[in-house]
Amino acid sequence: GAGVSQSPSNKVTEKGKDVELRCDPISGHTALYWYRQSLGQGLEFLIYFQGNSAPDKSGLPSDRFSAERTGGSVSTLTIQRTQQEDSAVYLCASSLGPRTIYSYEQYFGPGTRLTVT
Amino acid sequence: DAKTTQPTSMDCAEGRAANLPCNHSTISGNEYVYWYRQIHSQGPQYIIHGLKNNETNEMASLIITEDRKSSTLILPHATLRDTAVYYCIVRVGYGQNFVFGPGTRLSVLP
Repeated sequence: GAGVSQSPSNKVTEKGKDVELRCDPISGHTALYWYRQSLGQGLEFLIYFQGNSAPDKSGLPSDRFSAERTGGSVSTLTIQRTQQEDSAVYLCASSLGPRTIYSYEQYFGPGTRLTVT
Repeated sequence: DAKTTQPTSMDCAEGRAANLPCNHSTISGNEYVYWYRQIHSQGPQYIIHGLKNNETNEMASLIITEDRKSSTLILPHATLRDTAVYYCIVRVGYGQNFVFGPGTRLSVLP
């Protein structure tokens, strides 16, 4: 079946511009996560959605970052007034939700490579 | 949150078993051990997870010590395509996010 998809695969933007990154989770997965990975670094958690609500936004690095999820499916991560330090690969993952809370895996998309010039 | 420690890098000969260790001495009773890997320029890929018992699937085996303070991921017959960074993760309590450390960079050599 179809996996997690993300778009665009690559995005180059000028400092100060806003960008939107999209994630389509696996059908039926109620949980959705955003991470980012800077060059040569590990993954950094950003935000978690269960359905359309975000019970954990603790990883968002600043108020320039926001995310929403509609219809319990597609999610958009928005970065306003981009800075060069925002350059990274932004990864989305989805999983079954809390009914299997003690034992589940996350399936990752291919990521969006964001470059801020 | 339980933390994990892994060697920075390991080499393995093609066709041999790759044994990747992980220490998680502060793991709590309801936390699972997960393994993911990330091949260059791709998103992380789920490998296996376990709580207490040893687990095996088509990709790998997971051996967890009786005191649960450490585990070993075993790739029984490593191939060149297994070259990747391998992450050992202990799921954060009731929280939903996974905490990824720096992982072990496994190089499978011909």
